[in-house]
Amino acid sequence: EPEVTQTPSHQVTQMGQEVILRCVPISNHLYFYWYRQILGQKVEFLVSFYNNEISEKSEIFDDQFSVERPDGSNFTLKIRSTKLEDSAMYFCASRRTSLRSHNEQFFGPGTRLTVL
Amino acid sequence: KNEVEQSPQNLTAQEGEFITINCSYSVGISALHWLQQHPGGGIVSLFMLSSGKKKHGRLIATINIQEKHSSLHITASHPRDSAVYICAVRPLLKNQTSYDKVIFGPGTSLSVIP
Repeated sequence: EPEVTQTPSHQVTQMGQEVILRCVPISNHLYFYWYRQILGQKVEFLVSFYNNEISEKSEIFDDQFSVERPDGSNFTLKIRSTKLEDSAMYFCASRRTSLRSHNEQFFGPGTRLTVL
Repeated sequence: KNEVEQSPQNLTAQEGEFITINCSYSVGISALHWLQQHPGGGIVSLFMLSSGKKKHGRLIATINIQEKHSSLHITASHPRDSAVYICAVRPLLKNQTSYDKVIFGPGTSLSVIP
């Protein structure tokens, strides 16, 4: 069964460093998402991406964050200068179409980011 | 005020018990999701529904759009059902088109004891 994959599973970085989290969505999916979950808190929406541009973003998704689909298969989240409060689990998700019957999002296993 | 609330926050059940987890929301929605988060952190989508009821194995999800309420039921619970169950909604814009984001509830932590 096709699935969303994410790499790495765990990333440790120093404060101020840039990190890139990678996701490979399901191949025929068109809508892509990043979410984050700070330890002990609920999952929060970061950004959605369709047709090579951001379709929606939350207030969390400030200028330190960017997303890209560089090669038609990968979907990346870049954090330019990490802060301690960026430590969280980051989930990628994808969805096939906008049709009501295909609205289900499929989630990746997550990348745990630890900023020291 | 949280847009999506769940009850109970924590739930401990004996193996075999019938379990109900509730979700209420305060916004108009186009769809509601029930998700399962395993102790390792991974998220699995269980259901997406916009009306009525869906069943998959021992899991049943219902939604009442008018009352802005959904329930997730687990019949004949098993220790492997132990996880956090998350309700999430896709809100509607005023023009009735759907936001492309999902708002998550706080989750219900379920522990099923053998």
